[in-house]
Amino acid sequence: AQSVSQHNHHVILSEAASLELGCNYSYGGTVNLFWYVQYPGQHLQLLLKYFSGDPLVKGIKGFEAEFIKSKFSFNLRKPSVQWSDTAEYFCAVGGYSTLTFGKGTMLLVSP
Amino acid sequence: GAVVSQHPSRVICKSGTSVKIECRSLDFQATTMFWYRQFPKQSLMLMATSNEGSKATYEQGVEKDKFLINHASLTLSTLTVTSAHPEDSSFYICSAKGQGKNIQYFGAGTRLSVL
Repeated sequence: AQSVSQHNHHVILSEAASLELGCNYSYGGTVNLFWYVQYPGQHLQLLLKYFSGDPLVKGIKGFEAEFIKSKFSFNLRKPSVQWSDTAEYFCAVGGYSTLTFGKGTMLLVSP
Repeated sequence: GAVVSQHPSRVICKSGTSVKIECRSLDFQATTMFWYRQFPKQSLMLMATSNEGSKATYEQGVEKDKFLINHASLTLSTLTVTSAHPEDSSFYICSAKGQGKNIQYFGAGTRLSVL
């Protein structure tokens, strides 16, 4: 069975700090990896995805993630966060059809 | 592009009544739609997957007679919570993906409160 583990439930940062959110997964097959973001009061939006190829993927709003197959990890990074990055971040793993989500990490960026 | 609309955003109902939640893909044809349930401080739990014109596939532990899913067109899926009880109170989220694409686009969710 597939599973996703997000290491931190809550992260608090000051503006301009660097961000790294951990995500580890277990999946028995060709893996597709996703990071979704949910801003307060809004729906889940896709930040970035990895299907194949370059393990360093770049998404929207300056986010990137690195797929490290040997570590079963897909950590999300941003070199300098902004107040507007305050949101909940979900890592997800899946095959062609269904997705399994992590429990989410709530990021609070203080101005 | 790839907008999914979910309605209503919030519903309060009495115990024993049925509630219908709609999920629409506004600018693409959704060959597959998904229904999730999210408990406070928990992850999204997949309830069922529906393909247009077919019966939904329910995840283990989800009562298909209680959570009726209809995906009659390429742009609309509905979830009906039948004879709702307080323990059905939750946040229900739908998502949709188009043919040949492995990206799910999410609705804004429906907060169901059963009194």
